[in-house]
Amino acid sequence: AQKITQTQPGMFVQEKEAVTLDCTYDTSDQSYGLFWYKQPSSGEMIFLIYQGSYDEQNATEGRYSLNFQKARKSANLVISASQLGDSAMYFCAMRPSGSSNTGKLIFGQGTTLQVKP
Amino acid sequence: KAGVTQTPRYLIKTRGQQVTLSCSPISGHRSVSWYQQTPGQGLQFLFEYFSETQRNKGNFPGRFSGRQFSNSRSEMNVSTLELGDSALYLCASSSGKFYEQYFGPGTRLTVT
Repeated sequence: AQKITQTQPGMFVQEKEAVTLDCTYDTSDQSYGLFWYKQPSSGEMIFLIYQGSYDEQNATEGRYSLNFQKARKSANLVISASQLGDSAMYFCAMRPSGSSNTGKLIFGQGTTLQVKP
Repeated sequence: KAGVTQTPRYLIKTRGQQVTLSCSPISGHRSVSWYQQTPGQGLQFLFEYFSETQRNKGNFPGRFSGRQFSNSRSEMNVSTLELGDSALYLCASSSGKFYEQYFGPGTRLTVT
């Protein structure tokens, strides 16, 4: 069964420091996509970064980078230079292969990040 | 470009009633997906509509249904509400590209 595991229910980081949020996934698909979203207390899911299973380079978007280790089936999110506004819940998600699955994401349980001033 | 919009943002219903939630995707996006988020079960995929056809469905009872209109707007309906249906319902849209899925602000449904 396809599954996303986020083992850190909550994390603290000091402002301006870097933090890594863990994500491991389980799939037998060769082609899949991995996403990270941020969910502030308002509830909206904000897209952060995407990594395709065939992408050779790790994805980066501003202060966000995705540490993709395919053999270990891990897709950790690295946030550099944390800001107070980064305090939120973070979700890792996977899109299975197949054209009928382009609209389906499987989510992990999330990690709550708190940035300390 | 305007983002995904969902109405209403908050809703309180009584057990046994039915409810309809609406989602307007980003302009040009033909795919709309719905998710339910609860503290116990997390985020779960409900279904996806593409060009007015349901393309994929999650593991939810038949009380949960949806449809999509020719302008890509989508509605989700829950009949015979149960207390366990209290959740944040999120809709997401995509142009169909594998790397896209943009979410709306959600509708928070409370069933009493």
